Amino acid sequence: EPEVTQTPSHQVTQMGQEVILRCVPISNHLYFYWYRQILGQKVEFLVSFYNNEISEKSEIFDDQFSVERPDGSNFTLKIRSTKLEDSAMYFCASRGTSGRVYEQYFGPGTRLTVT
Amino acid sequence: EDKVVQSPLSLVVHEGDTVTLNCSYEVTNFRSLLWYKQEKKAPTFLFMLTSSGIEKKSGRLSSILDKKELFSILNITATQTGDSAVYLCAVSRTSGSRLTFGEGTQLTVNP
Repeated sequence: EPEVTQTPSHQVTQMGQEVILRCVPISNHLYFYWYRQILGQKVEFLVSFYNNEISEKSEIFDDQFSVERPDGSNFTLKIRSTKLEDSAMYFCASRGTSGRVYEQYFGPGTRLTVT
Repeated sequence: EDKVVQSPLSLVVHEGDTVTLNCSYEVTNFRSLLWYKQEKKAPTFLFMLTSSGIEKKSGRLSSILDKKELFSILNITATQTGDSAVYLCAVSRTSGSRLTFGEGTQLTVNP
């Protein structure tokens, strides 16, 4: 069964450094998402992406965040200058445009630790 | 602001018990409600509900939505230790497709 994949599974970085989290959505899906989950808290929406542009973003998704689809398969989240409070599990999700259209499928996540 | 409230937050049962997990919501322009199971990492999709009164079923799990009273329940019958997980409820709107999640219910099934 097709699935969303994410790399790396765990990333440790120092405050102020840039990180790029990578995702490969399910191959025929066209809507892509990033969510994050701070330890012990709810899963929170960050951004959605469709047709090579951001379609929706939350108040969390400020100027230090950016997303890109650099090629036909990858979808990336860049955090320009990491802060301690960016430490969280980051999930990528995708959904299709036909059949089970509104079902979002999540990847295994990248645990980001900012020290 | 969209709101999803799950109850109970935590539940401990014995294998073979039946459990009911609750999810109530407030959302502008509701489109759908989704249930996920989260074990160690990624939320795994269980059900999506869009219409009231139609039960969705998968093995020992079933779920139903009440759009008038704005809630959903997830039932698990004959629980097994492998059902131990956090069960997440999320809602989406007709405008945009972001999911708003509840806090989750931590279910522990003891042998």
